[in-house]
Amino acid sequence: DVKVTQSSRYLVKRTGEKVFLECVQDMDHENMFWYRQDPGLGLRLIYFSYDVKMKEKGDIPEGYSVSREKKERFSLILESASTNQTSMYLCASSLLGLAGAYEQYFGPGTRLTVT
Amino acid sequence: GNSVTQMEGPVTLSEEAFLTINCTYTATGYPSLFWYVQYPGEGLQLLLKATKADDKGSNKGFEATYRKETTSFHLEKGSVQVSDSAVYFCALFTSGAGSYQLTFGKGTKLSVIP
Repeated sequence: DVKVTQSSRYLVKRTGEKVFLECVQDMDHENMFWYRQDPGLGLRLIYFSYDVKMKEKGDIPEGYSVSREKKERFSLILESASTNQTSMYLCASSLLGLAGAYEQYFGPGTRLTVT
Repeated sequence: GNSVTQMEGPVTLSEEAFLTINCTYTATGYPSLFWYVQYPGEGLQLLLKATKADDKGSNKGFEATYRKETTSFHLEKGSVQVSDSAVYFCALFTSGAGSYQLTFGKGTKLSVIP
C-alpha cells in the first residue's frame, strides 16, 4: 500500500512564526503536491514538484514556499504565518505521467490554526 | 482554463436511498475524469475513474459514466449505506505541452442516516 504521511495532524502557530509542514511518501513517486482545503472552496493547489529540487507554482503560491531535497520528502514552508493561512493542508504524491490518467495518493492532512 | 462544477451540498439521504451527485466540467482537449472520496478525519482517496468518452468507472457500488456530449461525470449509487457518509470530489486531469493539471470540484458532503 502506498503511504503518504504528514508530520502533524493538528498544529497551532502564532502570527509571524515560520511554519514547516512535512510530507513523506514511501512509493518512490516522482510527483508530490501540496493543497489547501477550505470549506466551500474545495482543494486548491499551492505547489507541486515533479523531481528532486524541482518545483512549480500552483494556483495559490503566495505566502508559501517548498523544498524537495529528497525524492520521498516534500516540505511546505510558511515564511511568516498569517491568520488567513488557517486551513487544512493536504499532501499528495503520484507517479510521473504526462499522458493518461494517474492517481494521486493523499496524506491524512494537517489542520493548521494561526492565532 | 479547466473547471469542475459539482452540485452543492450537503446531501442527506436515508439508508438504501438512490444517490446522484452531479458533476460537469469545462476542459480543453480530452480530460480523464475522477471521483475522489474523503471520509471523516482522513485524506482523499480515489473512488473511480474514466479515461475516455463513454467509459464507465465503478467501485464499491458507485458508478459514473464519462459523457463527452454533455461534459458530465455524474456519480450514482443504487443503495447508499451509513458508511458512505463522506465528502465526494469530482476532478479532471489534462496534459499537454509538457505540463499537466488536476482540477478538483468544491466537494459535496453526503450524510446517510439510518
